[in-house]
This record gives sequence, C-alpha cells and structure tokens, in this order.
Amino acid sequence: EAGVAQSPRYKIIEKRQSVAFWCNPISGHATLYWYQQILGQGPKLLIQFQNNGVVDDSQLPKDRFSAERLKGVDSTLKIQPAKLEDSAVYLCASSLGIAGPDTQYFGPGTRLTVL
Amino acid sequence: KQEVTQIPAALSVPEGENLVLNCSFTDSAIYNLQWFRQDPGKGLTSLLLIQSSQREQTSGRLNASLDKSSGRSTLYIAASQPGDSATYLCAVTNNQGGKLIFGQGTELSVKP
Repeated sequence: EAGVAQSPRYKIIEKRQSVAFWCNPISGHATLYWYQQILGQGPKLLIQFQNNGVVDDSQLPKDRFSAERLKGVDSTLKIQPAKLEDSAVYLCASSLGIAGPDTQYFGPGTRLTVL
Repeated sequence: KQEVTQIPAALSVPEGENLVLNCSFTDSAIYNLQWFRQDPGKGLTSLLLIQSSQREQTSGRLNASLDKSSGRSTLYIAASQPGDSATYLCAVTNNQGGKLIFGQGTELSVKP
C-alpha cells in the first residue's frame, strides 16, 4: 500500500515570496491533515479536511495561508507572502476518518526555508 | 486548552539499557494517546495507540502505559539498540478523528 506522498521535499524562498505544497493521501482516506513543525517542537495542526470540507482551521494564519482539497483527494497548502517565521517542516497526514481506526499516517514532509 | 509535555527533552543511554520516556497532558478527557517515532528528515511513524479505555499497549520491545486520571503516559523501551535512536513524540486526541496535540518530543541517542 502506497503511503502519503508530498512534494516538493525541500524548498528555499525569500521572504514575501509565495510557495505551494502538494499532498496525495493514502487511497480511500477521507480525512487529511496539514501540520506545521518548527525545529525543536512537536507538529501543530494547521487545517483538517473531511473529504473536501474543512473540519478545523482554527490555527491557520488565514491572512497568508490557504489550503484546498479538490474532489476530496489531493490537497495543496499555499503561503503568500512568506515570512521568516514560516520556516518549518510541513507534514501532511491522512486517516480513514470518523468511520474507521484513528491512526494517522504521515508523509515525509516538505522542509521550507525562508531567507 | 490541552497541553502535552515530554520529559526529558534529550536522553543518551548505552546500548542494552532499558529506558522510560515520559509524557503528561493537562486535560484528562482524551479520546486516545499515540506514541510516534521521527527520524531526521523523515515523517512520523506511529508506534503505539492507546484508547482512553485501555491501560497499556505492547509491540515487541515497546510498552506504552496510560493513566488518564493523572494525565500521564510512559513509553518503555527494553534492551535499547542504536537503531532506536530517534525523536519520540507523544500526542493526544480529544475526539475520534480529531487533531493530534503533540508534545515537543524526546530525542533519544543509544550509544553502541
């Protein structure tokens, strides 16, 4: 069974530029999560989708971050414009959702460096 | 607001030693608790999941316990090996399918 795929793996940009990350969850997984992990800290949820609807985006900085999950499968997370403090690893995870086991499966992450 | 704390932040042990990692959470009304492993530059791998009604889970050399009333969990690793070197993260969810709330992790180094 293929795991959660993310791209790119690494991205370096200058502040005020824009960037987008892509996530392909495990086939059949209804729930998709985007987490931000700053160096030395645990991951923090940015947004959670159930199919293509948003369940929780309370910690998403909506003035600069946006995310979508078209057709309830792939998802993109965008930052525009980026700030220095956005330097982090962005992790995508998926799970079967409320009808199934709770285990979340994580992708390898995208490491973003903002200069 | 749920907060998760892990102690110690870093741990170095000689190969073969048994060790315990600690996790505490402020709100005992959790749905489940998970322990993850994170290798440098990699994503998270789920090690053990304990439902709120359970007291412990075991997988191979790993044993995780949960005491909801005191807001604590421990991860016991028996006969540690250099391959166990990684960061171990504890996380709780407050409802089924909900977000994971993570501790800051314990960085483990097992010396040959």
